[in-house]
Amino acid sequence: AQKVTQAQTEISVVEKEDVTLDCVYETRDTTYYLFWYKQPPSGELVFLIRRNSFDEQNEISGRYSWNFQKSTSSFNFTITASQVVDSAVYFCALSSNFGNEKLTFGTGTRLTIIP
Amino acid sequence: GAGVSQSPSNKVTEKGKDVELRCDPISGHTALYWYRQSLGQGLEFLIYFQGNSAPDKSGLPSDRFSAERTGGSVSTLTIQRTQQEDSAVYLCASSLAQGARETQYFGPGTRLLVL
Repeated sequence: AQKVTQAQTEISVVEKEDVTLDCVYETRDTTYYLFWYKQPPSGELVFLIRRNSFDEQNEISGRYSWNFQKSTSSFNFTITASQVVDSAVYFCALSSNFGNEKLTFGTGTRLTIIP
Repeated sequence: GAGVSQSPSNKVTEKGKDVELRCDPISGHTALYWYRQSLGQGLEFLIYFQGNSAPDKSGLPSDRFSAERTGGSVSTLTIQRTQQEDSAVYLCASSLAQGARETQYFGPGTRLLVL
């Protein structure tokens, strides 16, 4: 079975601090895809990034960066110089052909940036 | 361009009534997904459409839940004889094509409250 674990339920940091959100996954597939979504207070899930299982290069997009490590089955997300607008619930998700292409979500991490 | 739209945005109903939730996917997207987000269960998959057919109905929680998609576009999720445990946010997503690698884009959701 597929599983995504986000052990951090809630995190609070002071504005401008860096913060890392952890994501650990389980799947039997050798080909799979990992995603991060942001859910701000408005409620809509906003796509942030997709990474396939064959590409372990870290990715940076502005203040956001992602560290994918197959050896530890982790896909962690770091926000550098956090801002109040980063306050949201962040979800890590997994899809694979074994999982019939649906997204399996973690339970989410609620991030609060304190001004 | 227009994103995924859902209606109504909020629905309050009495226990035992039927409700219909509507999803308009992004134009040109062939795959459509329904998920449910509730406090106790997190984000869970309900059903998936490729075109007008539903290859995977595995997530529908009971036979009171059904969904259809017509013209390869609009989808309706129907809940019959609603129960209080059906209260949740129902999210719709669409992707350009079928496949685990495809990014799913989400609508704003329908918040359902069953009294």
